[in-house]
Amino acid sequence: VLLVESGGGLVQPGESLRLSCVGSGFTVSSNYMSWVRQTPGKGLEWVSIIYSDGSAFYADSVKGRFTISRDNSKNILYLQMNSLRSEDTAIYYCAGDCCSSRRVDHWGQGTLVTVSS
Amino acid sequence: QSALTQPASVSGSPGQSITISCTGTSSDIGGYNSVSWYQQHPGKAPKLIIYDVSNRPSGVSNRFSGSKSGNTASLTISGLQAEDEAYYYCSSYTTSSTLVVFGGGTKLTVL
Repeated sequence: VLLVESGGGLVQPGESLRLSCVGSGFTVSSNYMSWVRQTPGKGLEWVSIIYSDGSAFYADSVKGRFTISRDNSKNILYLQMNSLRSEDTAIYYCAGDCCSSRRVDHWGQGTLVTVSS
Repeated sequence: QSALTQPASVSGSPGQSITISCTGTSSDIGGYNSVSWYQQHPGKAPKLIIYDVSNRPSGVSNRFSGSKSGNTASLTISGLQAEDEAYYYCSSYTTSSTLVVFGGGTKLTVL
């Protein structure tokens, strides 16, 4: 199983960014797929999850600004991040689990998002 | 401030056992058997080592064990080894809109 994120970078407050996560040996569409972020000051924070049936859920801190989606044909998970704020600065991990929305068994290596003027 | 409370650091000598606590509320740890523990070495992604309070994924050493009492979950590592030095995070399902909450993490130092 391999999950590889891309799309991180430096953006200014208010701008947008889209993260991608390509799965290998792991079918994005048939598993619980999440985005989890990590900052030095706040540790790990669950951001969003999408179920195999397409249901999506978000942390209150990103609701209305972030959108999780997937391309089943390409086996790619996305996180569209709009109206970015300085507090969104973090390493973003793509994560998945075969069997539960309440844990994560597979993690990507992470991609760094920095929001700063 | 994290939703679940963990000690900032613990330490132990090789061969000893240590326990890391994780305290929540009846809306998360106390209400559900959905506590997970993750190990994270510096610069690496977290690794699942315990799920559903006390279950180990395939390939995880049986030196790692989990338990729960009331609103507090615990991770015990027996026969400490140098490679166990890492950060450990707990997580739990929660009835809040967040769905999953994490602890602030505990740094384990093997003396």
